[in-house]
Amino acid sequence: SYELTQPPSVSVSPGQTARITCSGNTLPKQYSYWYQQKPGQAPVLVIYKDSERSSGIPERFSGSILGTTVTLTISGVQAEDEADYYCQSADSSGTYRVFGGGTKLTVL
Amino acid sequence: EVKLVESGGGLVQPGGSLRLSCSASGFTFSRYSMNWVRQTPGKGLAWLSFISSSSDTIYYADSVKGRFTVSRDNANNSLYLQMSGLRAEDTAVYYCANFALDYGDDFDFWGQGTLVTVSS
Repeated sequence: SYELTQPPSVSVSPGQTARITCSGNTLPKQYSYWYQQKPGQAPVLVIYKDSERSSGIPERFSGSILGTTVTLTISGVQAEDEADYYCQSADSSGTYRVFGGGTKLTVL
Repeated sequence: EVKLVESGGGLVQPGGSLRLSCSASGFTFSRYSMNWVRQTPGKGLAWLSFISSSSDTIYYADSVKGRFTVSRDNANNSLYLQMSGLRAEDTAVYYCANFALDYGDDFDFWGQGTLVTVSS
């Protein structure tokens, strides 16, 4: 089965830049999507199609791709950004949707 | 306002069955594909199933293929997940969701989830 790999955790201080990576073999061919999930809440779409920011998402959130790795960058991290972040994509055929294992962002 | 509301969760014994429902409002349900996703307590998200707007295309994750069946009733704006042969590892919060992945834009909505507990 297809997998997306994320680091389990990332920690940054307020005002710094957080970068969360997601690796997968088909990411050059299939778009990636990023979700933010806070405790007790449903996931919220942050980035779609690798680098498009979803409606209502602050400009400090951005997405990029290089080879088989996509990156969610949060510039000037704020305390409210502390959450779990998940990448999502599809397998090469577009049949199976898959999520990365999730990254817990801690704002120190 | 788009709203997705799951129901039908609860406690079920191993080997038992349960039917989850998802009621949709605020958009033209019949035009959109839908998905089921689950999240084990304290763990990550796992995609389970996709159903196209007209039900002519259905996909399942390997973990539930042959045990879960997705269906929809466009006349009643409802999505369903029939679960059978339930195991302890199926214990999770189950979400219905539209995925931006399926549309190419940011039309992406999730319900608040319904908890399924498989235990004797």
